[in-house]
Amino acid sequence: SQKIEQNSEALNIQEGKTATLTCNYTNYSPAYLQWYRQDPGRGPVFLLLIRENEKEKRKERLKVTFDTTLKQSLFHITASQPADSATYLCALNRDDKIIFGKGTRLHILP
Amino acid sequence: EAQVTQNPRYLITVTGKKLTVTCSQNMNHEYMSWYRQDPGLGLRQIYYSMNVEVTDKGDVPEGYKVSRKEKRNFPLILESPSPNQTSLYFCASSLFYGLGVSTGEAGELFFGEGSRLTVL
Repeated sequence: SQKIEQNSEALNIQEGKTATLTCNYTNYSPAYLQWYRQDPGRGPVFLLLIRENEKEKRKERLKVTFDTTLKQSLFHITASQPADSATYLCALNRDDKIIFGKGTRLHILP
Repeated sequence: EAQVTQNPRYLITVTGKKLTVTCSQNMNHEYMSWYRQDPGLGLRQIYYSMNVEVTDKGDVPEGYKVSRKEKRNFPLILESPSPNQTSLYFCASSLFYGLGVSTGEAGELFFGEGSRLTVL
């Protein structure tokens, strides 16, 4: 069956460092992959989308890579700040459905 | 302001009492979807709709119904709620839906603020 796996339940990063989150998927080939941020008790907020024919996408301090051979996406936050602390979700299309990983909780330590 | 609005935000009900969670978007989006979010299980798709009168099951449709009579509205109906439907529910919409490489179209999902439902 198809699976989306995100690395670790929680990730602690020192302020100012780069945070790297991983999203792995198995048993299918999505046309695109998205990353969302979710704060406690709130709905997810879209951050970035990358298509299967794109290797890398950037937006301000955020960078996403998409390796269809490894079936993996990496999400980087450079110069991390305490305000970046949240849960980050990756999502992929599976036919007409958009399915989500369980998310990685990121804590940026001051 | 572009938004997805869900109501109610919080609801406590009892087993078997039918309820409807409304969802409305003001962005003229084609695609709408319902998710439930549970600790340890993440966001799971219940139903989705690609346009008016077109709905389909997600990964966890049992116990739920939906309808899409108008483009802006996509209510979630629990005909006979049970305690295992206690969850945080999110409605989402998107301008495009993912059909894969053939269309090349894909869109970000806009989420509502969530509806926390407790079934006793």
